[in-house]
Amino acid sequence: DFVMTQSPLSLPVTPGESASISCRSSQSLLHSNGNNYLNWYLQKPGQSPQLLIYLGSNRASGVPDRFSGSGSGTDFTLKISRVEAEDVGVYYCMQALQTAFIFGQGTRLEIK
Amino acid sequence: EVQLVESGGGLVQPGGSLRLSCTASGFTFSDYYMDWVRQAPGKGLEWVGRSRNKRDSYISEHAASVRGRFTISRDESQNSFYLQMNTLRIEDTAVYYCARASVGRHHDYWGPGTLVTVSS
Repeated sequence: DFVMTQSPLSLPVTPGESASISCRSSQSLLHSNGNNYLNWYLQKPGQSPQLLIYLGSNRASGVPDRFSGSGSGTDFTLKISRVEAEDVGVYYCMQALQTAFIFGQGTRLEIK
Repeated sequence: EVQLVESGGGLVQPGGSLRLSCTASGFTFSDYYMDWVRQAPGKGLEWVGRSRNKRDSYISEHAASVRGRFTISRDESQNSFYLQMNTLRIEDTAVYYCARASVGRHHDYWGPGTLVTVSS
């Protein structure tokens, strides 16, 4: 079974600064087709999750270019440049290589 | 505009049953895989199961934690997606979200969720 490990679990950030979240998978998420099946979601307070990044580095429609995803295999990073107050919430990575999908524990981003 | 709306949540006793529905609009329902994802109070996200699309014969898959107790189905004529939950346990208490899954296996649209509380 996959295990998805995120770090840090809590991330206080000053507005305007950048932030990075790490996601590590216990198994490679690289498919033979060349895609990394790793998604990033943000759950803002009181809301449903929303898709940020899919296939490791592709921004979803409407997601600001301040958000970027990188990595391959077992190690992935979500970077948020110029953090804004609206970025507050819990960020989850999710492996999508194999059903059943597994989410990371979540990283709570808060504004200092 | 793509919309997903869940319904059917509520309070049920341990061992009881409940059927959740998700009504979809704004897209060709039969083209997409549909998933259920749940979130226990104050906890993270857990994938519950899915129904594949028409091309993949609407095959359903379930997480190990619910297999044998929960059943996923869909009705194309109603653009609806269902989660039949039997033998409910206290640990099944959660907000249940339906989500559309796109080709890249990412959930690009989510419903607002419906709360299921299992308690005596």
